[in-house]
Amino acid sequence: DTEVTQTPKHLVMGMTNKKSLKCEQHMGHRAMYWYKQKAKKPPELMFVYSYEKLSINESVPSRFSPECPNSSLLNLHLHALQPEDSALYLCASSQVHTAGEPEAFFGQGTRLTVV
Amino acid sequence: GQNIDQPTEMTATEGAIVQINCTYQTSGFNGLFWYQQHAGEAPTFLSYNVLDGLEEKGRFSSFLSRSKGYSYLLLKELQMKDSASYLCAVRASYSGAGSYQLTFGKGTKLSVIP
Repeated sequence: DTEVTQTPKHLVMGMTNKKSLKCEQHMGHRAMYWYKQKAKKPPELMFVYSYEKLSINESVPSRFSPECPNSSLLNLHLHALQPEDSALYLCASSQVHTAGEPEAFFGQGTRLTVV
Repeated sequence: GQNIDQPTEMTATEGAIVQINCTYQTSGFNGLFWYQQHAGEAPTFLSYNVLDGLEEKGRFSSFLSRSKGYSYLLLKELQMKDSASYLCAVRASYSGAGSYQLTFGKGTKLSVIP
């Protein structure tokens, strides 16, 4: 199983709503990532979890709140978002150490629209 | 910080060979990846180089020169389905955090024409 599953696939939310994006993998990867991708731009790193601990936060606004409840799950809680936050949100996972498969595997993403 | 450069767009003919270049500047280098991304879809892994030299995988090959901060992806026998964006990504160690950061270049949009 080399799959990273993200739900929902599409999400439309108002600026006062609270919603969560979910990501799940069962490859035994202990590093999990959130990326944000705007149209015609590369993925931009938001957060990295390593062994279920937040290890990288790329100066993301506090209206985005990540959570890693266990080694298979990664959530991104959203609150009071702005229209400019509309984007494709990608989850990825990888091995932590350089031994073994080095590549990150990506989920299909959640297409978020903030209205 | 990291700086990754690749051409914005390229066009090539079906059946031909195309080379997509990537230059980078980073500290704590720990590998260079090439990903393919079709519009609206997730990136999919193509190749990985951590040592200098050429890695071949079927129609795709990737080359790395760490001293020059340079890589290329070579696609042979181009097919129409190869039309996509090709993302160069550099993995580097993140100081003090015991983690690796994967940073993407802006991507090269390849159009394969008949």
